[in-house]
Amino acid sequence: KNEVEQSPQNLTAQEGEFITINCSYSVGISALHWLQQHPGGGIVSLFMLSSGKKKHGRLIATINIQEKHSSLHITASHPRDSAVYICAAYYGGSQGNLIFGKGTKLSVKP
Amino acid sequence: NAGVMQNPRHLVRRRGQEARLRCSPMKGHSHVYWYRQLPEEGLKFMVYLQKENIIDESGMPKERFSAEFPKEGPSILRIQQVVRGDSAAYFCASSPFLLENIQYFGAGTRLSVL
Repeated sequence: KNEVEQSPQNLTAQEGEFITINCSYSVGISALHWLQQHPGGGIVSLFMLSSGKKKHGRLIATINIQEKHSSLHITASHPRDSAVYICAAYYGGSQGNLIFGKGTKLSVKP
Repeated sequence: NAGVMQNPRHLVRRRGQEARLRCSPMKGHSHVYWYRQLPEEGLKFMVYLQKENIIDESGMPKERFSAEFPKEGPSILRIQQVVRGDSAAYFCASSPFLLENIQYFGAGTRLSVL
């Protein structure tokens, strides 16, 4: 069974702190997405990566294919970063669907 | 280039009524995916469609739910005879042909069944 596990489930940080959210998956994948969901809002795709590292502003995503693990980092966190961050794995094959982690709820306090 | 458009953003229905959720993919995208997010739960795959074809509906409930993506017009997720348990956020995503691993999400439709 293909599974995606995220940790931690909830995370509270002080403004300015460095944040790390982890994601592990059970079998080989062809791509992994990091998504952001604000309360009552839609979903924004942050990164799609299949190897290495990507950076956008204060956000950094890394993936280690051998270890089946990805991390999302937020540098100099800000209260507006408060959201649910979701990891989703694309296993390919005949199905076009993503398998989602349960999300990490981040709250950044001023 | 407009993103994935979903409407309505919020939909209220009484038990037994029908709900029709629309999704217009990004321009040039031929693949559409529907996902459901139940309260306090993660997103779950429902159905994957290409123009005029259902590719994978393994996540769709067997009864009352149907989806289509006609040659012209938006993709429609239809829920007949809604029940309270159908209350959820329904998200649509689209991807371009041959690049199925890049999905762009809509803002979602929040369905409330009274």
